[in-house]
Amino acid sequence: LAKTTQPISMDSYEGQEVNITCSHNNIATNDYITWYQQFPSQGPRFIIQGYKTKVTNEVASLFIPADRKSSTLSLPRVSLSDTAVYYCLVGANAGKSTFGDGTTLTVKP
Amino acid sequence: EAQVTQNPRYLITVTGKKLTVTCSQNMNHEYMSWYRQDPGLGLRQIYYSMNVEVTDKGDVPEGYKVSRKEKRNFPLILESPSPNQTSLYFCASSSKGLTEAFFGQGTRLTVV
Repeated sequence: LAKTTQPISMDSYEGQEVNITCSHNNIATNDYITWYQQFPSQGPRFIIQGYKTKVTNEVASLFIPADRKSSTLSLPRVSLSDTAVYYCLVGANAGKSTFGDGTTLTVKP
Repeated sequence: EAQVTQNPRYLITVTGKKLTVTCSQNMNHEYMSWYRQDPGLGLRQIYYSMNVEVTDKGDVPEGYKVSRKEKRNFPLILESPSPNQTSLYFCASSSKGLTEAFFGQGTRLTVV
C-alpha cells in the first residue's frame, strides 16, 4: 500500500475554499485515491474517490495531476460543521486499507 | 436506510473474559472490515473480509478473531482481552474495498 503524507492540521474561516494536499509518491498503477471525513467519536464518512484528473461531487472536488504522485481535496465555502479530520487513502479498492494520520481541519467563524 | 450496526456501543470488561462485538450491514456488501482507533495512532485495520468465508489479516490482527459465515455479519472476537485492547472499534462495509465504505457508530471497549 502506498504511504501517504498530509499536513497534520489546517485552519480556515467560514466561507473560504480549503485545499488539502496528499502526497503518495509510491502510488501503483491500479491504486485509487479516496478521501474520508471523520468527526470525533464517529466512524469515517466517504467523501470522494478518483483515479486521475478531476472528480467532483456535491460536497468536494478531487484534483489528481498526471503523475498521480499527489492529490488535492478541495472543499468549497467551508462552514463550521466542516471542522473534522480528513484522511487520504491510496489503494486498489480491495482488501487491505491503511488510514494515515489525517489532517485536522479547523474552521473558524 | 443503509447502515452498519455495531453492538454493543460501550463495553467495560475484565482481562481474560471472552467477548464478541457484532457488526451487521443491510446493504448486501461483499467487503467488510474492522478497525481500531487509538489517540495518536489513527485508524488501524484489524481484519477484513472480501466475501463469505473469506477473511484476511490487516495491520494489527494479534489478539483478535473474526468470522464471516453470512454476508451481512462480521463479528469481532476477543478470546482473552487485555488492557492494551482498550480502544474505539469501527466496523465498515462496502461493495468493494475503499470505495464508499460505510462505517458503524463505533464500539468503545475498556478492558480492566
